[in-house]
Amino acid sequence: TQLLEQSPQFLSIQEGENLTVYCNSSSVFSSLQWYRQEPGEGPVLLVTVVTGGEVKKLKRLTFQFGDARKDSSLHITAAQPGDTGLYLCAGAEGSNYKLTFGKGTLLTVNP
Amino acid sequence: DTEVTQTPKHLVMGMTNKKSLKCEQHMGHRAMYWYKQKAKKPPELMFVYSYEKLSINESVPSRFSPECPNSSLLNLHLHALQPEDSALYLCASRRVQEIRTEAFFGQGTRLTVV
Repeated sequence: TQLLEQSPQFLSIQEGENLTVYCNSSSVFSSLQWYRQEPGEGPVLLVTVVTGGEVKKLKRLTFQFGDARKDSSLHITAAQPGDTGLYLCAGAEGSNYKLTFGKGTLLTVNP
Repeated sequence: DTEVTQTPKHLVMGMTNKKSLKCEQHMGHRAMYWYKQKAKKPPELMFVYSYEKLSINESVPSRFSPECPNSSLLNLHLHALQPEDSALYLCASRRVQEIRTEAFFGQGTRLTVV
């Protein structure tokens, strides 16, 4: 089973600050997804990255997939209280149907 | 339409009860998943169905019994559960024909075993 290490596990910041969440593995993934989850709800897909070196932007969120497709990062600019939630990275293991999750980053943005 | 619908949203059951969780999607996805999630933890994979056949069982106790009656429906039958089985149960679905295989999740069923 491929493992995804996600860091930091907890992050509490003030509104307007920037932050970066990291997702690392020793294995290669065919694709990697980032999800955001609010308490009591299901994870909501933010982005999928497939190509090594790929950078995708979603408003104030910037996602990057490492050149070797083993790691990814999520950068949030000027965080807002509405960004509060559990951020999860998940990797697809080639032709296997398995989707492996990192341990998640619990982000709190204080007004 | 990227919707995965789970019912019920909340369920309270006794340890001797039998209940079922239901999941439905109409995106034509041929892989469907059950995950269990405890508070502030990532989802843990339980079962994967591909083309309506069970392809992965992550050593889940037999008191959880999955069923995939057709390509749009996924059930999880529950019997003789323990209080520690209380959790958010998530269903997900995914295309399997492409490398870009993101999963879409339902809103989950919050299960409490008393």
